[in-house]
Amino acid sequence: DGGITQSPKYLFRKEGQNVTLSCEQNLNHDAMYWYRQDPGQGLRLIYYSQIVNDFQKGDIAEGYSVSREKKESFPLTVTSAQKNPTAFYLCASSTFGGWPSYNSPLHFGNGTRLTVT
Amino acid sequence: QQQVKQSPQSLIVQKGGISIINCAYENTAFDYFPWYQQFPGKGPALLIAIRPDVSEKKEGRFTISFNKSAKQFSLHIMDSQPGDSATYFCAASIFDNQGGKLIFGQGTELSVKP
Repeated sequence: DGGITQSPKYLFRKEGQNVTLSCEQNLNHDAMYWYRQDPGQGLRLIYYSQIVNDFQKGDIAEGYSVSREKKESFPLTVTSAQKNPTAFYLCASSTFGGWPSYNSPLHFGNGTRLTVT
Repeated sequence: QQQVKQSPQSLIVQKGGISIINCAYENTAFDYFPWYQQFPGKGPALLIAIRPDVSEKKEGRFTISFNKSAKQFSLHIMDSQPGDSATYFCAASIFDNQGGKLIFGQGTELSVKP
């Protein structure tokens, strides 16, 4: 089955620790995205990557870092600099290396819920 | 302005009724408008989408109405069912000098009462 796998589903960390969220896709999609979801705020874009070895900051990139060394993988690191890291993190991908469109819709994984105490 | 404003934040509808969720945008460069449905603990899934050159798109009980001049679009769910209870997000797509991305509304939590 093709899809996007995010792991783990739940993640707990102590304040001050960096943590890396995994995102793997076997859809052969060019573009990958990370969104953060908080109640009442919708989905906010953290980082996105249209091709391997290239990525751009989204609207809320501060305190986060990413890498795109392989087409299938787009891990997100939540650093200790992120002031409010507790949230639901969603990874997504789209097929054509342009942008989400009618012929290239955005597909989501099932998310990782990160809790930092 | 790359924002999409969605209302209402929450909606309660009786089974068999019509659910209506509205979205508004400012940037005329948006070129694709999807709606996503999300169940608790899951990622959003594409429900239905429309291009700006079309005024209405219908798929089963779900219809998007698009008003380009007013920069508004809405989702109508006919004959709403308890299984439709979920959070719904509208979105708009744009390609700028950094690449393409999807901007989401704030979400509407729909509850359909039996």
